[in-house]
Amino acid sequence: ILNVEQSPQSLHVQEGDSTNFTCSFPSSNFYALHWYRWETAKSPEALFVMTLNGDEKKKGRISATLNTKEGYSYLYIKGSQPEDSATYLCALSGSQGNLIFGKGTKLSVKP
Amino acid sequence: DTGVSQNPRHKITKRGQNVTFRCDPISEHNRLYWYRQTLGQGPEFLTYFQNEAQLEKSRLLSDRFSAERPKGSFSTLEIQRTEQGDSAMYLCASSLRRTKNTGELFFGEGSRLTVL
Repeated sequence: ILNVEQSPQSLHVQEGDSTNFTCSFPSSNFYALHWYRWETAKSPEALFVMTLNGDEKKKGRISATLNTKEGYSYLYIKGSQPEDSATYLCALSGSQGNLIFGKGTKLSVKP
Repeated sequence: DTGVSQNPRHKITKRGQNVTFRCDPISEHNRLYWYRQTLGQGPEFLTYFQNEAQLEKSRLLSDRFSAERPKGSFSTLEIQRTEQGDSAMYLCASSLRRTKNTGELFFGEGSRLTVL
């Protein structure tokens, strides 16, 4: 059974601050690790999919890394903006393609 | 808009009533998933279809829940005899089956259920 833990549960930062969240998992028995951003009243939006140990992905000010040997992934946001406010979800792909999600990290960026 | 569409977006019902949600996936996607999200939790997997076949159901899906995808296109999720604990956001997602299951899921905006 895949178990996904995310920390912190919530985070409040000032505009311009850089921040990072952690996703941890006890086993590397999965196909891929996904990061999603979920803004209020919108649909969850895929940010990154990573499969290999050492993978690094970047999209604008947001980047992510994957360490399957030690069982964690980091999501970094450089120079946070108010529009980055959202819940960031980490998920692992199971054998049937379904995703097992963590509880998410809720980010609030104050102007 | 060719994204995943869900309706209704909001449903308020009285305990004991039946409710049905509909999901229209991205047209070329052959996999369709239902998730439930409650306060403070991440989305929890309920069930998924590949074309019209329901291939997996979570233990969270009690016998009051039923999902169908009759022609391999849209899907419905019905909850019979609703209970207050059924209050949640019901999310639908679709994807294209790949050789390795690394593909992203495309989500709808969800249907929020409130059971009074």
